[in-house]
Amino acid sequence: KAGVTQTPRYLIKTRGQQVTLSCSPISGHRSVSWYQQTPGQGLQFLFEYFSETQRNKGNFPGRFSGRQFSNSRSEMNVSTLELGDSALYLCASSLAGIAGEQYFGPGTRLTVT
Amino acid sequence: QKEVEQDPGPLSVPEGAIVSLNCTYSNSAFQYFMWYRQYSRKGPELLMYTYSSGNKEDGRFTAQVDKSSKYISLFIRDSQPSDSATYLCAMENTGTASKLTFGTGTRLQVTL
Repeated sequence: KAGVTQTPRYLIKTRGQQVTLSCSPISGHRSVSWYQQTPGQGLQFLFEYFSETQRNKGNFPGRFSGRQFSNSRSEMNVSTLELGDSALYLCASSLAGIAGEQYFGPGTRLTVT
Repeated sequence: QKEVEQDPGPLSVPEGAIVSLNCTYSNSAFQYFMWYRQYSRKGPELLMYTYSSGNKEDGRFTAQVDKSSKYISLFIRDSQPSDSATYLCAMENTGTASKLTFGTGTRLQVTL
């Protein structure tokens, strides 16, 4: 069974631009969560989608948004990029949204210049 | 102060040593505790998943949770160079994937 895939793996953007990251969960998984990982703050929860509905959201500004499609694939969008948005963005999928059953993708490394 | 505190290391041990990794937390509502291993340029991989207090063993790995002290540990026996990675603790209060709270991770180096 294929794992969680994220595209692109690396991205360089300029301040003020917007970016869209994609996550394809493991086949059959309906829950997708997104995290931001930085050296200073570690892994921080962004949001979770389950069956196309956002179930929970972390403490990030409205510039961070996401969506989930009917095939469970998910995208997250960051608008008006800031230097501080440079991070590794990870998505994780699980069958039913159980914490102990999450599988992480390799992440998208976003650099904002 | 962060909800979950974890010593960033790096922690360097010789091959074969017993490794102890720890996290403390402040939110008494946490009931589900996890340990992840993250290799460089990879996503975190779930190692151990425990509910409430007690011990759980899986091969060379043992997870301990002491809710009265708000302290969790991961022990690695007979450490191997392949164990060199960053270890992240995470916790949650509902059992769902929503809003896992992570420690910042401890970097472990196992030397030959």
